[in-house]
Amino acid sequence: QQQVKQSPQSLIVQKGGIPIINCAYENTAFDYFPWYQQFPGKGPALLIAIRPDVSEKKEGRFTISFNKSAKQFSLHIMDSQPGDSATYFCAASIMGAQKLVFGQGTRLTINP
Amino acid sequence: NAGVTQTPKFQVLKTGQSMTLQCAQDMNHEYMSWYRQDPGMGLRLIHYSVGAGITDQGEVPNGYNVSRSTTEDFPLRLLSAAPSQTSVYFCASSSRPGSYNEQFFGPGTRLTVL
Repeated sequence: QQQVKQSPQSLIVQKGGIPIINCAYENTAFDYFPWYQQFPGKGPALLIAIRPDVSEKKEGRFTISFNKSAKQFSLHIMDSQPGDSATYFCAASIMGAQKLVFGQGTRLTINP
Repeated sequence: NAGVTQTPKFQVLKTGQSMTLQCAQDMNHEYMSWYRQDPGMGLRLIHYSVGAGITDQGEVPNGYNVSRSTTEDFPLRLLSAAPSQTSVYFCASSSRPGSYNEQFFGPGTRLTVL
């Protein structure tokens, strides 16, 4: 079964819009929630990560919102740009950033 | 630093053939792992290692073997390739098991099994 469920599968947004990608998890033992960005032909790269002791984390134009009671977290991209077009993966792990359980991925397209 | 490197970049195998996917890192990381990426399924953990001489199974280990004789290298072996192993394979590393330090991914190997 998929321990981390990600939606939507694909998303198209106009430049300057705010795409939102959502993830839900089952295992309450997860204590690390990263988002990875992947460009075609490349490996995933860490974008931003959050621990469950905070409800929000911002890094530049990227924000993670975390709802521990609902077991959900989401990625928001402010002032989106065509260069943000990529596949985004949420993930979760227990006691460290190593054994990651990934969501299914979201292909994001930002139109000029 | 080159980071995490993988070879080959592409490979085509016939069913039943064997091969080894190479992975190396020059960051002196203790932890290394292998994932496979399939459409609609994200990345799934195959095997991982917390240090030289120590390996363990991940979520989808069947059909794959690993060993870790040095800190730098973590090869993934397919003993008898099957079409179901057609995938993109990523190697990753991070500094210490149990830490919340970033896990770095290599560029991937795209494998096709006919």
